Amino acid sequence: GNSVTQMEGPVTLSEEAFLTINCTYTATGYPSLFWYVQYPGEGLQLLLKATKADDKGSNKGFEATYRKETTSFHLEKGSVQVSDSAVYFCALIERGGSEKLVFGKGTKLTVNP
Amino acid sequence: EAGVTQFPSHSVIEKGQTVTLRCDPISGHDNLYWYRRVMGKEIKFLLHFVKESKQDESGMPNNRFLAERTGGTYSTLKVQPAELEDSGVYFCASSLSGGYQETQYFGPGTRLLVL
Repeated sequence: GNSVTQMEGPVTLSEEAFLTINCTYTATGYPSLFWYVQYPGEGLQLLLKATKADDKGSNKGFEATYRKETTSFHLEKGSVQVSDSAVYFCALIERGGSEKLVFGKGTKLTVNP
Repeated sequence: EAGVTQFPSHSVIEKGQTVTLRCDPISGHDNLYWYRRVMGKEIKFLLHFVKESKQDESGMPNNRFLAERTGGTYSTLKVQPAELEDSGVYFCASSLSGGYQETQYFGPGTRLLVL
């Protein structure tokens, strides 16, 4: 079946550090890929998405590129801020299949001043 | 435009009791989804409505869970009787047209604790 694997957290960084959160997927079809973020006390928000190979999603300084050859969708940001502290979820929806999101376990990021 | 809302935000009940969770999707969104995150685990899909019809209920764990969406607007998820393993955060999401490219917008979740 479909699955998403994220790097284990928690991740703690200093402000202005470079961030990478690894995400790889297994899918029988050709999925769309998403990063969702959950800030403390809030619900899930879409951060970015990509729907086909080599697409790059970007938002709020975050980027992720859909790599079909390595089945990956790693999240990156060049300079994190304290306000980026949150839990980040990688997810997929398989094309032509069920419309359900399949999530990774989530990675908690803490950014210290 | 109002987002997805869920009620209650928290619920603490005893094993064997009944709890009903409510979700109000974004106005005009035909697609409504329920997900759940049990402590330390992934967020898991429960079911998907298109208007008032259940499109996919493959994630419903057992017959103690009953979801409805009368009139195709808000939805309720009833757990009866609740068990300890039902504790977790229940999320609702909605989307306009569904499909693999469509963004699902999430509510803040209901935190359920079964004692």
